[in-house]
Amino acid sequence: GQQVMQIPQYQHVQEGEDFTTYCNSSTTLSNIQWYKQRPGGHPVFLIQLVKSGEVKKQKRLTFQFGEAKKNSSLHITATQTTDVGTYFCAGPTSYDKVIFGPGTSLSVIP
Amino acid sequence: KAGVTQTPRYLIKTRGQQVTLSCSPISGHRSVSWYQQTPGQGLQFLFEYFSETQRNKGNFPGRFSGRQFSNSRSEMNVSTLELGDSALYLCASSLAIRTYSYNEQFFGPGTRLTVL
Repeated sequence: GQQVMQIPQYQHVQEGEDFTTYCNSSTTLSNIQWYKQRPGGHPVFLIQLVKSGEVKKQKRLTFQFGEAKKNSSLHITATQTTDVGTYFCAGPTSYDKVIFGPGTSLSVIP
Repeated sequence: KAGVTQTPRYLIKTRGQQVTLSCSPISGHRSVSWYQQTPGQGLQFLFEYFSETQRNKGNFPGRFSGRQFSNSRSEMNVSTLELGDSALYLCASSLAIRTYSYNEQFFGPGTRLTVL
């Protein structure tokens, strides 16, 4: 079946360092969404990418959707302690169900 | 605008019992979806309801069921609970302007279910 993978599973960074998480799908995605879940919290929508090669920025966060629409990345510049949490990518299956990646857990050392 | 609410927030049950969880979506949202979150399996899609109809279903046994009412509120039921059902159950609502998978989902705080 369709799979969505994310790497790395965990990332520990010093505050101020950059961070990148990668999302890879076994099939082409019509769109991809990114969510952030703080420890003890619930997932919160960050962004949706739809077009091939699309790049969107939100302050220190940069999201990219691959040309083949099978991969995506989230890059955070100069991490802060408020960036701590798990970042999930999510994409639709061919049956219009949403499949979430396993997430990348980010720890920021002050 | 009030967010998605879920009740109860915490629940402890024993094996073999059944449980009903409730979700109230954001006002105006017609789509409600349910997810199970565990450390080992991550976020897994259970089902999605739109206008009182189940539109999508994940790969869970028939013990997991749900429904949606005319006011878009939704309930999820798990019968004959097993230890492996211990998880955080999250409900999410969306406007569903297009198909389900194109919509930003707003998650509730979840119900933490523990099965002993």
